[in-house]
Parts: sequence; structure tokens; C-alpha cells
Amino acid sequence: AQSVTQLGSHVSVSEGALVLLRCNYSSSVPPYLFWYVQYPNQGLQLLLKYTTGATLVKGINGFEAEFKKSETSFHLTKPSAHMSDAAEYFCAVTLNQGGKLIFGQGTELSVKP
Amino acid sequence: EPEVTQTPSHQVTQMGQEVILRCVPISNHLYFYWYRQILGQKVEFLVSFYNNEISEKSEIFDDQFSVERPDGSNFTLKIRSTKLEDSAMYFCATTGATNEKLFFGSGTQLSVL
Repeated sequence: AQSVTQLGSHVSVSEGALVLLRCNYSSSVPPYLFWYVQYPNQGLQLLLKYTTGATLVKGINGFEAEFKKSETSFHLTKPSAHMSDAAEYFCAVTLNQGGKLIFGQGTELSVKP
Repeated sequence: EPEVTQTPSHQVTQMGQEVILRCVPISNHLYFYWYRQILGQKVEFLVSFYNNEISEKSEIFDDQFSVERPDGSNFTLKIRSTKLEDSAMYFCATTGATNEKLFFGSGTQLSVL
């Protein structure tokens, strides 16, 4: 069975600082991996996804994530945080691209001025 | 970008009452999903729907739940007799023929009193 663990329910960074949101997964077969962002009172928006190929994936808003099979990780990073990055971030895994997603518990990112 | 529309944004109901949550998918989408998020918990898969039938459902999706696409446009989730523990944010998600990217609605917050 697949599962996703996000380390840290709440991460706080200063504006301009590195953002690192951690995600580890468990899957018996090569998974598809996703990061979604949820701004207040809005739906989930896809930030980026890994399916096959290049393990460093670039997404919207300057975010990127690296698939590390040996570490079963898919951490999300951004070199310099903006105030507008404050939101809830969800890591998710699935065995096929658009189907049933298994989500992590989410990480709330706060950005301090 | 096209949007998935959910109505209402917030629904308050008494325990034991029936509720219907509505979703208007993106026009050419073929795969439909319902997810829910209980406050403070993970986003959980409920059900997937394709070609006018359920393709997969979770153990949460018991006999109290049903889905349909009655008029070829709206995609609905019905809870027959709501319980307190049904209180959650319910998200509709849809994707097209290639089943590559899920588009999420902004959710319906269901409060069962």
C-alpha cells in the first residue's frame, strides 16, 4: 500500500530564506509524485509532478522538487521565499497519473517579513 | 485556466439530514473524483467516477454515500443521513481523457450539527 509522510505540520521561514518542505513516500512500485498548494479559501493547485525521467522537477512559482528513489523522498524547495508563498502544501502519490491520490497530512508554510 | 466549480461553498445541516454537494467539472473532462478533508487531517480519497459508473471507492464511501451525474454536467455527492463525523471539507476533482492532471474545486465545507 502507498503512503505519504510530510515531516513538520508547520514550517516558518523569513522572506528571502530557503524553503524546504519534506515528503517521504512508501510504494511497492515506482510512483507518480505530486506537490499541491492550497491558498486560503481556494482549491488544491498543482505545483509540480514527477512521473518518469529527470528526477529534478521544476514547477510553478519558482518551486522545484527532487525525486530520490534511494531515500524514498520528494522534498519541495524554493531558494527564496516570498510572502505570497504562505499556504498549505500537500505531497501526494499515486500509481497512475490522474487517478486516486494518497495525500500527506500537509505542511503549513508561514513567511515572516 | 479552466475551473472546477463547487456549490455551495458552505453547508450547515442537522444530523440525519440528507445533503447534496454539487460540482461542475471542466467541460471536456471525463474522470471525476470526490475527496474530503476533516479538520486537521489528511485529504482522503472517497470515490472515482468514469463513464457513468463508480470506478473505485474507499472504505469511507459506504452505503450512506452516492454519486451521480444526472444531467451530463453536474457531478453530485449525496450523503443520505449525515453524521457528526461527516463534517469536513469536500473537494471535487476532475481530469481529461489523458488522465494526467487533476483540477480541484475550491471545496464545500460541510458542518453537521
